[in-house]
Amino acid sequence: SAVISQKPSRDICQRGTSLTIQCQVDSQVTMMFWYRQQPGQSLTLIATANQGSEATYESGFVIDKFPISRPNLTFSTLTVSNMSPEDSSIYLCSVVVPARGPTTGELFFGEGSRLTVL
Amino acid sequence: AQSVSQHNHHVILSEAASLELGCNYSYGGTVNLFWYVQYPGQHLQLLLKYFSGDPLVKGIKGFEAEFIKSKFSFNLRKPSVQWSDTAEYFCAVNERGDMRFGAGTRLTVKP
Repeated sequence: SAVISQKPSRDICQRGTSLTIQCQVDSQVTMMFWYRQQPGQSLTLIATANQGSEATYESGFVIDKFPISRPNLTFSTLTVSNMSPEDSSIYLCSVVVPARGPTTGELFFGEGSRLTVL
Repeated sequence: AQSVSQHNHHVILSEAASLELGCNYSYGGTVNLFWYVQYPGQHLQLLLKYFSGDPLVKGIKGFEAEFIKSKFSFNLRKPSVQWSDTAEYFCAVNERGDMRFGAGTRLTVKP
């Protein structure tokens, strides 16, 4: 298993500002994922962050809006840039712990960062 | 990519009632299937998973799920729910590393 800590747990931000969310894992993991969970909706993958390479973004998400850092195997940050009310959401960090390989293992999630943009 | 459908947005049951939450994915292939649960104020955690073998899998807290390949389904069941089962339940499908989640079903169990 893995224990994931996210900071901040919640924040209220003004339109046009940026917020960086931190994700710390208690063990070294290769693959880290950032998800968004908007009110009443499913989890949507924003990007995959692998240490030592550029993050891979899903359709509809771009690096300028959601820059990601992955400096080592236990830490990552997601920045939500130039925020608007539409960015109000829960942002979740997750990691995969290999079961039969990195593509089939289960995901472990942080507690999420609830962001409200006014 | 797969899409995942959860049929019920909100389910309300009384304690001791039986539960079945539907989950379908969009097309066949080699997939791994998961149910995650999110209790109020807590993070998502794994309830059960199917990789291969017996299509009836048992998870924590008395939950089970049945994989029916011909129906692309992975329904979650519990014979007798408790008030503490009140939570949001997410079905997820992993196909070659691409993990997709359903919209979630909110379960409210009345004491």
